[in-house]
Amino acid sequence: AQKVTQAQTEISVVEKEDVTLDCVYETRDTTYYLFWYKQPPSGELVFLIRRNSFDEQNEISGRYSWNFQKSTSSFNFTITASQVVDSAVYFCALSDHFPHNDMRFGAGTRLTVKP
Amino acid sequence: DAGITQSPRHKVTETGTPVTLRCHQTENHRYMYWYRQDPGHGLRLIHYSYGVKDTDKGEVSDGYSVSRSKTEDFLLTLESATSSQTSVYFCAISRTSDIQYFGAGTRLSVL
Repeated sequence: AQKVTQAQTEISVVEKEDVTLDCVYETRDTTYYLFWYKQPPSGELVFLIRRNSFDEQNEISGRYSWNFQKSTSSFNFTITASQVVDSAVYFCALSDHFPHNDMRFGAGTRLTVKP
Repeated sequence: DAGITQSPRHKVTETGTPVTLRCHQTENHRYMYWYRQDPGHGLRLIHYSYGVKDTDKGEVSDGYSVSRSKTEDFLLTLESATSSQTSVYFCAISRTSDIQYFGAGTRLSVL
């Protein structure tokens, strides 16, 4: 069965610190997608990244980077030089049911970046 | 922004009353989803649709029904609302097995 675990419920950092959000997943399938979404205080859900199970290359987008390791079933998200605007709840999600793509979300990590 | 509109955005209702939430899309995407968000649980799938009149249950479908008579509209109905259905409801759309884009959410309170 699908399962996504975000063990960090809340993280608080000071601006300009680096921070890593952990995500561990479980699936029996060899083909799956992993996602990260951001939910700022305004409440909407913003897509950040999708990674398929056959692509273990790490990805960097500006101050954001993602580390996908199949050996440990982890898909961690790092924010470099954090900013106050990064304060949000971040969700990791897994999809392994094709083609319908119903996703299983983790419980989320609330990140607070203090000035 | 993906063209997704949820209505109403906020609703307060009483236990035992029927409630219908609407999701409207202008993207002509095949797939539509209803999730609920509760503290400590993230988002959980209620129902989804893979075409007009084609729907299936998600993880937490008890007490909910859905209908999709047109590509652009996906309705979520609580036949007899209970306090445990107080939540924030999100609609999402996707083209295929692809990225899901979410609406702004509907905050429902059942008193």
